[in-house]
Amino acid sequence: DSGVTQTPKHLITATGQRVTLRCSPRSGDLSVYWYQQSLDQGLQFLIQYYNGEERAKGNILERFSAQQFPDLHSELNLSSLELGDSALYFCASSVTALMDEQYFGPGTRLTVT
Amino acid sequence: SQKIEQNSEALNIQEGKTATLTCNYTNYSPAYLQWYRQDPGRGPVFLLLIRENEKEKRKERLKVTFDTTLKQSLFHITASQPADSATYLCALGNNAGNMLTFGGGTRLMVKP
Repeated sequence: DSGVTQTPKHLITATGQRVTLRCSPRSGDLSVYWYQQSLDQGLQFLIQYYNGEERAKGNILERFSAQQFPDLHSELNLSSLELGDSALYFCASSVTALMDEQYFGPGTRLTVT
Repeated sequence: SQKIEQNSEALNIQEGKTATLTCNYTNYSPAYLQWYRQDPGRGPVFLLLIRENEKEKRKERLKVTFDTTLKQSLFHITASQPADSATYLCALGNNAGNMLTFGGGTRLMVKP
């Protein structure tokens, strides 16, 4: 158990809908990262927050957004969902801002029908 | 464009042997390289980090080498066990620490 929690575990929704994925980092970690993993694209970095502020952006679509709250938990919002958004979404956390040793959560499996 | 290559074919080895996985990269000058283990349907687990000025790093039965001239990292598991069977991902990080790019992973199967 990494200490990172993610909810929900599974999510099934229809195209065009909006969903919110939730992540709680390990105690003491200030950085939260979001990743998308699909069979054809592998593990792709989406976005990082450090102590409430956006720090780095990867391959995140404009339809996706995230935020980190004062208690350091984070939410990833996915809107206007398409079939291609079906994937595993992982949250990770680390102590520092520098993308080193990261602890991943169990993931949320999103299925868009 | 940046490219990270890990052998997409599964690596099958016998228990007790040393497994060696390769991570090659092009058009990239990473400041550090990380290795993660991932089991099916689960999140990656951090194993080792090696920086560009380090040649080798060890942790228990694991050893990582980093050759910036060859643009290659080798990941070794000595005395492999069936429990080591998993997919192993390499990830390259930049100097600014604001980008981490993962390879596609190599699946390791250790047979008893």
